[in-house]
Amino acid sequence: SQKIEQNSEALNIQEGKTATLTCNYTNYSPAYLQWYRQDPGRGPVFLLLIRENEKEKRKERLKVTFDTTLKQSLFHITASQPADSATYLCALVYGGATNKLIFGTGTLLAVQP
Amino acid sequence: DAGITQSPRHKVTETGTPVTLRCHQTENHRYMYWYRQDPGHGLRLIHYSYGVKDTDKGEVSDGYSVSRSKTEDFLLTLESATSSQTSVYFCAIGGQGFEAFFGQGTRLTVV
Repeated sequence: SQKIEQNSEALNIQEGKTATLTCNYTNYSPAYLQWYRQDPGRGPVFLLLIRENEKEKRKERLKVTFDTTLKQSLFHITASQPADSATYLCALVYGGATNKLIFGTGTLLAVQP
Repeated sequence: DAGITQSPRHKVTETGTPVTLRCHQTENHRYMYWYRQDPGHGLRLIHYSYGVKDTDKGEVSDGYSVSRSKTEDFLLTLESATSSQTSVYFCAIGGQGFEAFFGQGTRLTVV
């Protein structure tokens, strides 16, 4: 079965540094990989999608890479701020047009001022 | 929250009782999903719908049923609630570019 692993349960970094979160997957070859942000008590919010033929995608301070050989995606937040503190979820699209998602358990990011 | 409303937001129910959670969207999206989120398991797909009266099972569908009689409403029913169904339930709709938009969630406690 598909399995998605995200690095560590919590990542603590200092404000201004770059946060790097990891998503590894097995037994699957997704065409798309997505990243979501989730704040306590709220639903996940879509951030970025990267396709299998894209090596890198950027949006403001966010950058996502996708290595289909390593079966890994890295999610970077540059110049991190305390407001970036949240849980970040990696998700793979499966099921073709039905757009079903399989999620990792998430990484809790805490940015210290 | 992309025009998605879940109700109720919180519910406490007794073991063995039926429970229905409602998801309402104003975006006219074809695809709707129900997920549950539990510590250590992340979000898992329960059921999904690809149109009115068209539904299918996800990875954790046992003990749950769904119905979609209108494009805007997707109902999740726990036929006979058990303590293992204590969870946070999220409804989502599928965007045009494969992204999902989630509701605020329903926290269900089965005692």
